[in-house]
Amino acid sequence: AQSVTQPDIHITVSEGASLELRCNYSYGATPYLFWYVQSPGQGLQLLLKYFSGDTLVQGIKGFEAEFKRSQSSFNLRKPSVHWSDAAEYFCAVGLHQTGANNLFFGTGTRLTVIP
Amino acid sequence: DTEVTQTPKHLVMGMTNKKSLKCEQHMGHRAMYWYKQKAKKPPELMFVYSYEKLSINESVPSRFSPECPNSSLLNLHLHALQPEDSALYLCASTQALNEKLFFGSGTQLSVL
Repeated sequence: AQSVTQPDIHITVSEGASLELRCNYSYGATPYLFWYVQSPGQGLQLLLKYFSGDTLVQGIKGFEAEFKRSQSSFNLRKPSVHWSDAAEYFCAVGLHQTGANNLFFGTGTRLTVIP
Repeated sequence: DTEVTQTPKHLVMGMTNKKSLKCEQHMGHRAMYWYKQKAKKPPELMFVYSYEKLSINESVPSRFSPECPNSSLLNLHLHALQPEDSALYLCASTQALNEKLFFGSGTQLSVL
């Protein structure tokens, strides 16, 4: 069965510091991988996605993620965090069922940014 | 228009009430979704409509009844809910298999 693991429940970083959020997945085939960000009480916004091709993908807001098949990982990175990046971050695996995308989300990592 | 619009943004209802959540998109997307998100938890898929037909029902109790009147609208009818159904209900849509899901900002539901 598919699963997504985000081992860090909460991460605190200083503004301007680098960031890496971890994501590991378990799936029988090459998955479709996503990172979403959610501010409190809001919907989810896609940061980036990986389907195939270049394993380093660039997203919005200066984020990037690297797909490593050997480690079953899709970690999210940002070289310099801004205070506005404080939010909940979800990694997700996408499955295709009956013509629709079915996303399985990790449990999320809450990012706190300190001045 | 690249938005998924959900109404109402907030809803408080009693356990004997009947209410409906609405979701609308005008992006021409042919798949629409309902997710339920409890506080501090990830979203969990409830229903998927593909080309206006229910394609996935993740064992959701019958007190939740989805409806897709046309390709732009998705409703979630609520009846006899329980307090544990209080959550953020998110609607999403997608055009094709390899495209991202667009999420609405959700309806925060409280059942008293």
